[in-house]
Amino acid sequence: GAGVSQTPSNKVTEKGKYVELRCDPISGHTALYWYRQSLGQGPEFLIYFQGTGAADDSGLPNDRFFAVRPEGSVSTLKIQRTERGDSAVYLCASSPPEQYFGPGTRLTVT
Amino acid sequence: KNEVEQSPQNLTAQEGEFITINCSYSVGISALHWLQQHPGGGIVSLFMLSSGKKKHGRLIATINIQEKHSSLHITASHPRDSAVYICAVPRDGNKLVFGAGTILRVKS
Repeated sequence: GAGVSQTPSNKVTEKGKYVELRCDPISGHTALYWYRQSLGQGPEFLIYFQGTGAADDSGLPNDRFFAVRPEGSVSTLKIQRTERGDSAVYLCASSPPEQYFGPGTRLTVT
Repeated sequence: KNEVEQSPQNLTAQEGEFITINCSYSVGISALHWLQQHPGGGIVSLFMLSSGKKKHGRLIATINIQEKHSSLHITASHPRDSAVYICAVPRDGNKLVFGAGTILRVKS
């Protein structure tokens, strides 16, 4: 596709469950970013990949969150033992140099 | 104090009005981004600028690096301009730090 895509667009899960969120970046983009946007706030950085490796994961809130990008293209953000506070829109972007954003995945933890 | 501050937080305008949204940041940067987010939609990059001024259609973005301030202007505003406008600056490489956003509503 021409842009960054994210699946699913919406995910509702129960507290304590495990979820995976997927990001397909623009073909050829080496850098990939995950951000989280809570209601009424600007996005916040979670993790950044350059190729296959996580260049900066300083924004991951705790060890329930981790992300992979095994082949340097598609990335998956994984959240274990979800909590209600994890409810947010999870945004993915790819670059360089300007960041192109996907439509986001709205995660609701009930 | 947040690293990126936007004002106003909310803005309501009549169709045709000239609109200004402001962004101030507290650290040195290489470039600043202006982004647009529609309700339920993803984020679209409007501008990335490091100096001076850029124009795209009815949108104009300016930046003053010395004063650490940028403005986004919309001329002849239209209801379809209603969205959240966010400024962001890169930190520690390319990860973006975002302002809280300005919610713009243009009434017809």
